[in-house]
Amino acid sequence: AQSVAQPEDQVNVAEGNPLTVKCTYSVSGNPYLFWYVQYPNRGLQFLLKYITGDNLVKGSYGFEAEFNKSQTSFHLKKPSALVSDSALYFCAVRDNTNAGKSTFGDGTTLTVKP
Amino acid sequence: DTAVSQTPKYLVTQMGNDKSIKCEQNLGHDTMYWYKQDSKKFLKIMFSYNNKELIINETVPNRFSPKSPDKAHLNLHINSLELGDSAVYFCASSQDGSRNQPQHFGDGTRLSIL
Repeated sequence: AQSVAQPEDQVNVAEGNPLTVKCTYSVSGNPYLFWYVQYPNRGLQFLLKYITGDNLVKGSYGFEAEFNKSQTSFHLKKPSALVSDSALYFCAVRDNTNAGKSTFGDGTTLTVKP
Repeated sequence: DTAVSQTPKYLVTQMGNDKSIKCEQNLGHDTMYWYKQDSKKFLKIMFSYNNKELIINETVPNRFSPKSPDKAHLNLHINSLELGDSAVYFCASSQDGSRNQPQHFGDGTRLSIL
């Protein structure tokens, strides 16, 4: 069975500082990994994904994520946080041998203070 | 031109009633999903359809019945609504030939049971 853990319910950073939102995963095959962002009263929006290749993946709004196979992690990062980055972030994993089910983490609320 | 649209946006009804939520996607995707997001913002998959065929059916009460008249539509009918059904229901779609494509979400239907 596949699973995703986001160990922090909440991450607080000051505007302009770097941010990291953590994600670890467990799958039986090679993972497909995704990050999504959810703003209040909206659906999830895709930020970036790791399928294969370069371990550093760049996505929307200046976000990037680093795939680490040995640590089974896929942490989301941004060099300089904006107040507008404040939102709920979800990590998701999809096993490429599965019927196609994605498993989402419990979400991490990012708050960026001015 | 909304990619994944759900109606209604808000649904307030009494216990025991039957209600339906509609979802349409204009992205040409072949796979559609229903998710439930509870009050703690945890996201759980309920159903997935690929080209009108049910491929994922999580442990969901029989009171919930999805229907896909064509691959652009996936509706959710709920019988005998209970208090615990109060949540936000999200429809999503993806192009799933290789399972490495992200999901596109609607903005949700907020269901409140009185």
